[in-house]
Parts: sequence; C-alpha cells; structure tokens
Amino acid sequence: DIQMTQSPASLSASVGDRVTITCRASQSISTFLNWYQHKPGKAPKLLIYAASNLYTGVPARFSGSGSGTEFTLTISSLEPEDFATYSCQQSYNTRYTFGQGTKLEIK
Amino acid sequence: QVQLQESGPGLVKPSQTLSLTCTVFGGSARSGSNRWSWIRQPPGKGLEWIGDTYKSGNPFYNPSLQSRVTISIDPSKTQFSLNLTSVTAADTAIYFCARNDASGFFDLWGRGTLVTVSS
Repeated sequence: DIQMTQSPASLSASVGDRVTITCRASQSISTFLNWYQHKPGKAPKLLIYAASNLYTGVPARFSGSGSGTEFTLTISSLEPEDFATYSCQQSYNTRYTFGQGTKLEIK
Repeated sequence: QVQLQESGPGLVKPSQTLSLTCTVFGGSARSGSNRWSWIRQPPGKGLEWIGDTYKSGNPFYNPSLQSRVTISIDPSKTQFSLNLTSVTAADTAIYFCARNDASGFFDLWGRGTLVTVSS
C-alpha cells in the first residue's frame, strides 16, 4: 500500500494566520492527491482534488500544491471555522489510503 | 441536494457481524458513474478506506479487510450496506459512507456513526 505521512500532527494558530500542512507519499503519486476537512459529528468535506484544484464552494483561502511525493495544503488567512482536522488521501490506485490527519487548533 | 446517512447498531459483540446501511437522500446509488464507499476512523487514528461498490455491483475491498467485508447495493437503489464479520475491539471506529468520483476522490460523505465492539 502507498503510505501517506502528514506533518505536523497538530498545529496551533490564530485567526488571520497563514498555515501550511504537508503530506508525503511513500512513492510517486503524480498529482493524485486530495485534501479533506473534518470536524467531530459532521460530514467530512472535500477541499482540494488532484493536488491543486479547489472543489466547488470551497473558499479561495484554501490552496493545494505539489506533485510526485510531496504536497502541501495552505490556508492563507485562518477563519474561526477553519479550526478542524485535515487529511490527505491518495487516489493514484484504487487501494485508497489517507494520512493520519493534522489537527489545527486555536492558539 | 444529495445527502448520505449511516444507520445501524452502535454496539456489537466480539466475533459477531457489524452491519451498517447508508441511505442516499435526494438521489440514487444506481445513478451516474460514481462508486459508493465505506470508510472508518478508529479512535485517535487516521481514516481507513474499507471498500466500495458500483451500481452494478463489482465491489473492491481493502486487502487488509477483504476476507471479512461485504459491500452491496440494495435493490431499492437508495441504500448500500456494509457487513464486517468476526469483529474485534480493533474494529471499534466511526464508520462513514461516502461517494467516490471516478477520479478517486470522495466528494460526499455522511456524518459517520460510532460502532463500539465490546461484550
């Protein structure tokens, strides 16, 4: 299986901060990388697909980049509703795997 | 607007079968080119894809669970289900149903349901 490793595991930041989360794949996955936001008790949301494409309705402060084995999710200016857990997922093959998640907390 | 909702027992005894249903509100699991997945998240761990199925069947499963998993679409075409046999405490998790786009991302999720395996 393709292993997905996220860093950091947790992150404290303030409203208005710029934050970046990294996801690394154990082998090259081209741009088959997707990002999700999830909060307890709520349905997870797709943010970015194919590494850099903003999903419908997702605010433009979210962006994704990368290819091969290293990817980043950036939130340009944190809003209160952005404090959540973020996970990456590879869709290079149909044995889909996720990163362990990055918990973004209010400082 | 299509929505997904998981349902099923919140407590299952060890060695028994975990059975969950996902209801597709405002749409059908038999329409379009989407596949329909089950994903779980054990406490304190990351998400794990369990498997998926297509409107005509043809399921794919995570190899680590393949011997114990069955995913099927109900003939009503508005539900799909998960059966996981011989459960242990390691199967305790929040279970999500989700819709896969043909490109492999999950663009619609349910809120999840917690299933605890305990005697």
